[in-house]
Amino acid sequence: GENVEQHPSTLSVQEGDSAVIKCTYSDSASNYFPWYKQELGKRPQLIIDIRSNVGEKKDQRIAVTLNKTAKHFSLHITETQPEDSAVYFCAAGSSGNQFYFGTGTSLTVIP
Amino acid sequence: KAGVTQTPRYLIKTRGQQVTLSCSPISGHRSVSWYQQTPGQGLQFLFEYFSETQRNKGNFPGRFSGRQFSNSRSEMNVSTLELGDSALYLCASSFDRGSSYEQYFGPGTRLTVT
Repeated sequence: GENVEQHPSTLSVQEGDSAVIKCTYSDSASNYFPWYKQELGKRPQLIIDIRSNVGEKKDQRIAVTLNKTAKHFSLHITETQPEDSAVYFCAAGSSGNQFYFGTGTSLTVIP
Repeated sequence: KAGVTQTPRYLIKTRGQQVTLSCSPISGHRSVSWYQQTPGQGLQFLFEYFSETQRNKGNFPGRFSGRQFSNSRSEMNVSTLELGDSALYLCASSFDRGSSYEQYFGPGTRLTVT
């Protein structure tokens, strides 16, 4: 089955700096890569996703890149703000199959 | 459109008992997946139901079971509870048609086994 690895497990950045979280996957059949943000005590929320036919996707301060050849994808957050502090999960999967999640990255934005 | 809902939100059970958790997906969504979330293990996939059939299954013992009804609502059952079953149980629903298979999570049920 699929194996998703996520790094780093914890990340601290100064407000205004950028944050990058990286994930690798093993199954070349995976074609959908979502990212979730989970604030303390809340549900995971889908913040951005990318499909295998796209190399990069951007939504305001958040961007995701995908390298299918190397089987890795990354989340980039620019101009970080304190409200970006949360745990971020990457996942890999495809329609009709289960999603495999990374182990999460705890991001702290220091004011 | 209402989001994914789960009941109950909190549950305290004793070891050896059984428990049933409920998940109502977003209207029109046909797929419901269940996950166990613990601090040390992250999000572990339990199973997924699609059109009342279990389509995918994770690596959990047979004590964990589920079902889905014709209105797409899903229930998860855990029998003979163990202390290690204490966790946040999340369900996620998906439309899963064509290119639309994003998963949206419910608020979760916090289960404590004493």
